[in-house]
Amino acid sequence: IVLTQSPGTLSLSPGERATLSCRASQSITSNYLAWYQQKPGQAPRLLIYGASSGATGIPDRFSGSGSGTDFTLTITRLEPEDFAVYYCQQYATSPSFGGGTKVEIK
Amino acid sequence: EVQLLESGGGLVQPGGSLRLSCVASEFIFIGFDMNWVRQAPGKGLEWVSAISESGNAVYYGDSVRGRFIISRDNSKNTLYLQMNNLRAEDTAVYYCAKGVSTSRAYSWYDPWGQGTLVTVSS
Repeated sequence: IVLTQSPGTLSLSPGERATLSCRASQSITSNYLAWYQQKPGQAPRLLIYGASSGATGIPDRFSGSGSGTDFTLTITRLEPEDFAVYYCQQYATSPSFGGGTKVEIK
Repeated sequence: EVQLLESGGGLVQPGGSLRLSCVASEFIFIGFDMNWVRQAPGKGLEWVSAISESGNAVYYGDSVRGRFIISRDNSKNTLYLQMNNLRAEDTAVYYCAKGVSTSRAYSWYDPWGQGTLVTVSS
């Protein structure tokens, strides 16, 4: 399954809402989709699994939605520490990741 | 706090071999699938391999199948990746990542280790 993330880069200001898209080349069964955040020089951190379940310790400004082939990660109000690269991952079949969306400060 | 600590990375010539290790702590290692994921410099993430809790089931990405071998020693809480016939395109940071305890082959990853850099170059 090929995952396509858009946009490649999102330029926003702190306090704004971020909407990130992840589209799959075929339907992802049982919503087996996760989202990760990665900051420079750090390992990825799990945000969302099962398309919409928040990982332990993740602020509730992060939410996931979607099903089938279209999934969305929403950050309701961007905090300074949220500027990073975000990846989606499917684990319905042999795992694959999207190419990432960079959320940068405008 | 769950911790994963990778080691074994370094510079190796094309065609060479390297073995990575990942020592786990603060969780019941035998109860969880484990994985390797890599990231080439400046690039995205690529799943490499997974192994079941017992080690009886292993899975590989197409780009490494036949060259890499994943294994685990549950008595030592350690995950391994034996990498053979290395190529320049295997250059990457290699992360070990804890899976979940289910009957499925694949899962999400939480947490990840800090990674170890493998450079394949002459």
